[in-house]
Amino acid sequence: QKEVEQNSGPLSVPEGAIASLNCTYSDRGSQSFFWYRQYSGKSPELIMFIYSNGDKEDGRFTAQLNKASQYVSLLIRDSQPSDSATYLCAVRSGNTPLVFGKGTRLSVIA
Amino acid sequence: GAGVSQSPSNKVTEKGKDVELRCDPISGHTALYWYRQSLGQGLEFLIYFQGNSAPDKSGLPSDRFSAERTGGSVSTLTIQRTQQEDSAVYLCASSLEGGTLREQFFGPGTRLTVL
Repeated sequence: QKEVEQNSGPLSVPEGAIASLNCTYSDRGSQSFFWYRQYSGKSPELIMFIYSNGDKEDGRFTAQLNKASQYVSLLIRDSQPSDSATYLCAVRSGNTPLVFGKGTRLSVIA
Repeated sequence: GAGVSQSPSNKVTEKGKDVELRCDPISGHTALYWYRQSLGQGLEFLIYFQGNSAPDKSGLPSDRFSAERTGGSVSTLTIQRTQQEDSAVYLCASSLEGGTLREQFFGPGTRLTVL
């Protein structure tokens, strides 16, 4: 059974701070890793994907992957109230469907 | 259309009735996925279509659930003899193909309530 684990939160951070969202996965064969953002009552939207060990930066977002530890994280710098949402981690091996975690609810306090 | 569309947006039905949920993927996308999201839960994979290949049905929770994709485009998810535990948001996604890094674009979902 492939599993993706996330702390459900809520994770509360003050505006302007760094939010750190973490995810672990069970399948060592996982090859690609995705972070989706889901606002309440809306469908998920892709923020970033990563497939190589290390960091990948896109604007205020940085994804970090450590395959040896089976760990992937998302950092959000200069957090804004508009970043308040549920963040879903998803992993994939080959052409198999994405396996999603249950998500971490982030609340950025103004 | 510009994005993935789903209909209906909301469906309320009585226990034991059959329901059909529709998904129109982005034009040209060959891969189509159905997921289910229960309250406070992550997305649960149901079924995956890729081109003309046999669909991956490994996520369907019971034989009451079935899906088809006609002409490689529109897909219909059918739930027979609905149960209260079927209540959830059913999300459809599509991508250019089933490749590892292909982004899946999600539709707005159908909220199903079984009374």
